[in-house]
Amino acid sequence: ELKVEQNPLFLSMQEGKNYTIYCNYSTTSDRLYWYRQDPGKSLESLFVLLSNGAVKQEGRLMASLDTKARLSTLHITAAVHDLSATYFCAVDGSGGGADGLTFGKGTHLIIQP
Amino acid sequence: KAGVTQTPRYLIKTRGQQVTLSCSPISGHRSVSWYQQTPGQGLQFLFEYFSETQRNKGNFPGRFSGRQFSNSRSEMNVSTLELGDSALYLCASSLRAVNTGELFFGEGSRLTVL
Repeated sequence: ELKVEQNPLFLSMQEGKNYTIYCNYSTTSDRLYWYRQDPGKSLESLFVLLSNGAVKQEGRLMASLDTKARLSTLHITAAVHDLSATYFCAVDGSGGGADGLTFGKGTHLIIQP
Repeated sequence: KAGVTQTPRYLIKTRGQQVTLSCSPISGHRSVSWYQQTPGQGLQFLFEYFSETQRNKGNFPGRFSGRQFSNSRSEMNVSTLELGDSALYLCASSLRAVNTGELFFGEGSRLTVL
């Protein structure tokens, strides 16, 4: 059974600081996704990482994937309040998505002025 | 381009009743998958449909079922509702061709079972 663990599950940080969210998964996979969810809202796709060593950046967020270590990171640079949300990583363990995505429990991020 | 549309957005049912939720995918998307989100269990995969065929199903009892129509619209049904079925039910669509397989989620249907 594929397990996906995120840490931390809760993070309170100040604006302007940098931080990293970690996503570990238990079986071989080369497809990993990061989503953002605002309270009461749906999931917004942030990044799709499809190969070992993949790195993608959008604004203050950068995601990377190390399939050998079964680890993905979401790095936040110079955080701003608007980035406050819950961030989920999800892994496609089947190689083709047939089993659906397995999500981590999410990292609830609060960015304070 | 219209996104994924789910109806109804909110509904309240009582134990023992049944419910049907609807999902219209992004135009051109042939895959629809369903997820249940609860505070305790998080996001869990229910099932996925592609070209009217259920490709896989998550670890949910048979009370949870679904189907997909020829226009790719999908419905999921939960029979004999239990209190624990209260959740946000999210539908996601995907091209599932040679692209990234990226999922696009709808706003969800929030079900409350009393």
